[in-house]
This record gives sequence, C-alpha cells and structure tokens, in this order.
Amino acid sequence: NAGVTQTPKFRVLKTGQSMTLLCAQDMNHEYMYWYRQDPGMGLRLIHYSVGEGTTAKGEVPDGYNVSRLKKQNFLLGLESAAPSQTSVYFCASSYRGAKGTEAFFGQGTRLTVV
Amino acid sequence: AQKITQTQPGMFVQEKEAVTLDCTYDTSDPSYGLFWYKQPSSGEMIFLIYQGSYDQQNATEGRYSLNFQKARKSANLVISASQLGDSAMYFCAMREDNQGGKLIFGQGTELSVKP
Repeated sequence: NAGVTQTPKFRVLKTGQSMTLLCAQDMNHEYMYWYRQDPGMGLRLIHYSVGEGTTAKGEVPDGYNVSRLKKQNFLLGLESAAPSQTSVYFCASSYRGAKGTEAFFGQGTRLTVV
Repeated sequence: AQKITQTQPGMFVQEKEAVTLDCTYDTSDPSYGLFWYKQPSSGEMIFLIYQGSYDQQNATEGRYSLNFQKARKSANLVISASQLGDSAMYFCAMREDNQGGKLIFGQGTELSVKP
C-alpha cells in the first residue's frame, strides 16, 4: 500500500527553469494539499484541492500553479523558479466529510534553486 | 481568519517527565478539527492525535493527550513519560469543517528529550 507518493524526491533547478512536482495517492482521498516547509516557518499551505478538477489558493500561492485532472494526482508547477522557492515540499491527502480523519503525507521533495 | 500559533520554538524535557506543547488557534467556524503531528529528524510527518470542536472529552492516544480549552482557543499537547525517541518537531494543525477542507499548520515546536 503506497499511500502518498511524491516525485521526485530531490531536485536542483537553475533560476528561471520550470518543473512539475507530482503527488499521487492510492487511498481515494478527496482532499489534497501542497505545503512548503522552511526553517522556523512550519508548513505553509501553497494550494489545495477538494476534488477532481477543483483547486484553491492557500497561504503562499504566488509563483506556483496546480492541477487536479485526476482524483489520485495533484501536480504542483513552478513556471520560473526563484531561489526563494528553495524548500522542502510536502504533499498530503485526506478524506472529505469524516471529521476525525487525518491527512496523510508524502515523504517530501527537497528542491534547491540556484 | 483561520490561524494557528505555536509560541515555543524549542523545548527541553527530562526523560520520563511530562511536557506540554502549546497551541492556540483562531477561527470563526463553529465546527473544526485540531491535529497534532510529529516530525522526527528523518522528515516524515506522523499523525499523533485529533480533537473535534464538538468533542466533550479531551482526546487521548497512549502517552499523548490533548488539553482542549475551547473558550481560550487552545489545544495543547501533553506527552507523558517522555522518551528519547520523542525528540522531534511537533506541529499543531487546524481544519475548518465548513471552509472546504483547508488545513493549516503552526510554526512548530522542537522538543529535545534529555537522558
């Protein structure tokens, strides 16, 4: 049972390059989330999705785009990477409706922009 | 506006003692859930405990308990009988049930357990 899988796990980008981070979950979860984690800042919500074909902005959406074309996948795109986007990115997913259900996390993607 | 605050960047506790990690929140939604996660140095996020806004009892899971004070908007995590393996980052999080599933986290508290 894979749970939440993030691809890639590590990446180094040059300033101005673009890339897409893939999050895949096999638990049939409705909700999916993208976070970035920086020292002293905790996890900050970038974008999230409450279902296939829907996305919403989180706390720090600038410089990122997302798509949820299939229920099991949530893609995070960086169109023109900047050094300020150097971070660890986490994807998470959870069920909708059942109040007690927690979010399950991927293993993280460490992105460095030089 | 939905907000989570953890005011303790770092905490130390002696092995076998209890420790309380603070979390305060702000929301206008009467229905919400509060979560605590642990992140060891390996980086994975581990779910610890959940408290619903309408739950009458404080949540407990083994050595973890959540001291939920609704009027004060606080949801402190209590770890009893600390172990060396409890050394990690701890994050408090909140999801408003009527706001489309948005889940936000606090800044985290780094707990160090001393032998």
